[in-house]
Amino acid sequence: DGGITQSPKYLFRKEGQNVTLSCEQNLNHDAMYWYRQDPGQGLRLIYYSQIVNDFQKGDIAEGYSVSREKKESFPLTVTSAQKNPTAFYLCASSARTVRNTIYFGEGSWLTVV
Amino acid sequence: AQTVTQSQPEMSVQEAETVTLSCTYDTSESDYYLFWYKQPPSRQMILVIRQEAYKQQNATENRFSVNFQKAAKSFSLKISDSQLGDAAMYFCACYTGANSKLTFGKGITLSVRP
Repeated sequence: DGGITQSPKYLFRKEGQNVTLSCEQNLNHDAMYWYRQDPGQGLRLIYYSQIVNDFQKGDIAEGYSVSREKKESFPLTVTSAQKNPTAFYLCASSARTVRNTIYFGEGSWLTVV
Repeated sequence: AQTVTQSQPEMSVQEAETVTLSCTYDTSESDYYLFWYKQPPSRQMILVIRQEAYKQQNATENRFSVNFQKAAKSFSLKISDSQLGDAAMYFCACYTGANSKLTFGKGITLSVRP
């Protein structure tokens, strides 16, 4: 089935460690996004990428890094510089030719202890 | 820069009644799309309805309809005949074609009273 796969769904890490969240899509979409959601809060854009080997900072990029080496993949690294990384992370993608259709993954819960 | 504002954090509606959720947006782009997403406790984002900015006609999907006021940059969602399954968090979002950027509001928690 076509869609977006995020992994892992739940992740626990010690403070000070870098962690990488995976996002893979088989929809042949050009654009991919990472959002952070805190409990009871809206979605805030971390990074987005319109095309392979190119990405832009969103509203809260500090403490995060991404790469876009392949069209299908857009991994997010939460670095030790991120002061409060515990949150729910959502990945999304969209096709540039069908710009009114955006798909979401099921999300990843990151808890830092 | 584009912004989406949902000023009501919570709303409640009686089952079978109608409720309207408010949203305003701001963008300098002329090519944009507006969305309402539903997020139940599972956290899965579910597309409720979408509106192309170049279309004057308000979008409708079964019990869900929008009131799109382009000049006022307002995009409200009306839910008719509310059902218990409509209880969720609802997000308004704006997508601009120029930079493929999708921006969300803070969301509103809708509860449905039986």
